[in-house]
Amino acid sequence: GEDVEQSLFLSVREGDSSVINCTYTDSSSTYLYWYKQEPGAGLQLLTYIFSNMDMKQDQRLTVLLNKKDKHLSLRIADTQTGDSAIYFCAENGPDSSYKLIFGSGTRLLVRP
Amino acid sequence: EAGVVQSPRYKIIEKKQPVAFWCNPISGHNTLYWYRQNLGQGPELLIRYENEEAVDDSQLPKDRFSAERLKGVDSTLKIQPAELGDSAVYLCASSQRTSGGRTDTQYFGPGTRLTVL
Repeated sequence: GEDVEQSLFLSVREGDSSVINCTYTDSSSTYLYWYKQEPGAGLQLLTYIFSNMDMKQDQRLTVLLNKKDKHLSLRIADTQTGDSAIYFCAENGPDSSYKLIFGSGTRLLVRP
Repeated sequence: EAGVVQSPRYKIIEKKQPVAFWCNPISGHNTLYWYRQNLGQGPELLIRYENEEAVDDSQLPKDRFSAERLKGVDSTLKIQPAELGDSAVYLCASSQRTSGGRTDTQYFGPGTRLTVL
């Protein structure tokens, strides 16, 4: 079945780059997403990448996709304390359905 | 433009009591989703509506959970009776399905945090 895995925790110093990794299993996924969740809030869509791309850049965010290894990463340049949150990777469900399959989230802590 | 609105934000009830959550999607979004997020996990889909039709409710525990989306706009998710294991955050999301598209971008509300005692 489909599964999305992420590391649980990442700690970086303010101003450094953060790299959050994700692996997924469904090779038919059309889009892969990164969401951000701050305490007590819903999920905020950060960015997404189409499966036929290998990189997408959006201001401080860079998404890299290795479709062969089913590996997705999110790089945040010049990480700020406001970036501290939980980051979720998500893929489409089987048969590219509208169902999103989420990982368990990576908690990013940015130290001053 | 207003985002997805949910209420209440927090709810504490005793087990065996009923509870209901309300969601108002982004204006013009015809697809609405209810997710449950357990502590320390990602959201899991409970039910998806396209307009007023529930097109995927395979993950909804139908013995105690019910949902409706009358008139294809607002939606209500109900649990009756609630159990201790239902404690979670219930998230509503909406999207605008594109013609011929194979996926859509989902926008989430702030969620309702349910605690069952």
